[in-house]
Amino acid sequence: DAKTTQPNSMESNEEEPVHLPCNHSTISGTDYIHWYRQLPSQGPEYVIHGLTSNVNNRMASLAIAEDRKSSTLILHRATLRDAAVYYCILRDTAGGGADGLTFGKGTHLIIQP
Amino acid sequence: GAGVSQSPRYKVAKRGQDVALRCDPISGHVSLFWYQQALGQGPEFLTYFQNEAQLDKSGLPSDRFFAERPEGSVSTLKIQRTQQEDSAVYLCASSSLPPVGRANYGYTFGSGTRLTVV
Repeated sequence: DAKTTQPNSMESNEEEPVHLPCNHSTISGTDYIHWYRQLPSQGPEYVIHGLTSNVNNRMASLAIAEDRKSSTLILHRATLRDAAVYYCILRDTAGGGADGLTFGKGTHLIIQP
Repeated sequence: GAGVSQSPRYKVAKRGQDVALRCDPISGHVSLFWYQQALGQGPEFLTYFQNEAQLDKSGLPSDRFFAERPEGSVSTLKIQRTQQEDSAVYLCASSSLPPVGRANYGYTFGSGTRLTVV
């Protein structure tokens, strides 16, 4: 899977929007962009994914750049429960085998009350 | 069940001891993955099952690591002669779909087993 680059950490205030960036300049045309988050002492939790168009669900929104070399996970109104490590992962639709998700170090999101 | 269940939640093993970690995936889920997460790092892939078949074990760090899923549901990750470097959280994930087209869906993870080798 192609490599992604995320900031090590970000800080935001409660009840404000949060924009978590991810760069993936080597993305291929068949790569989906996935986001997972991991709360303290929990396993990773699926958040959202997309291919080309922006996506919205109950947890977050995913904004994908037109050239697909970057994306942004948007939490519209952060709560203390959103404090977690957020992982941006590329998943290849064209690859064979079953090599699982390739996690980087992610972004540690800190929410201030 | 409602989610992926892993047991035990915590395990302390003496160096050289064998351990077995259990994963109960969501009922009916075809795909099952094991990951290893060292402190401060992201999870790393260990092995993958589709039903009872182990299709990929390329991430297993040594021949001391062995995984099985004999009836295509519950899976066990066994570590023989544990070493201190085996200390980590071991995560299990499952999905209802097989790997074809896998990029277009997400996985459900358990809370993991924290293994400490002393």
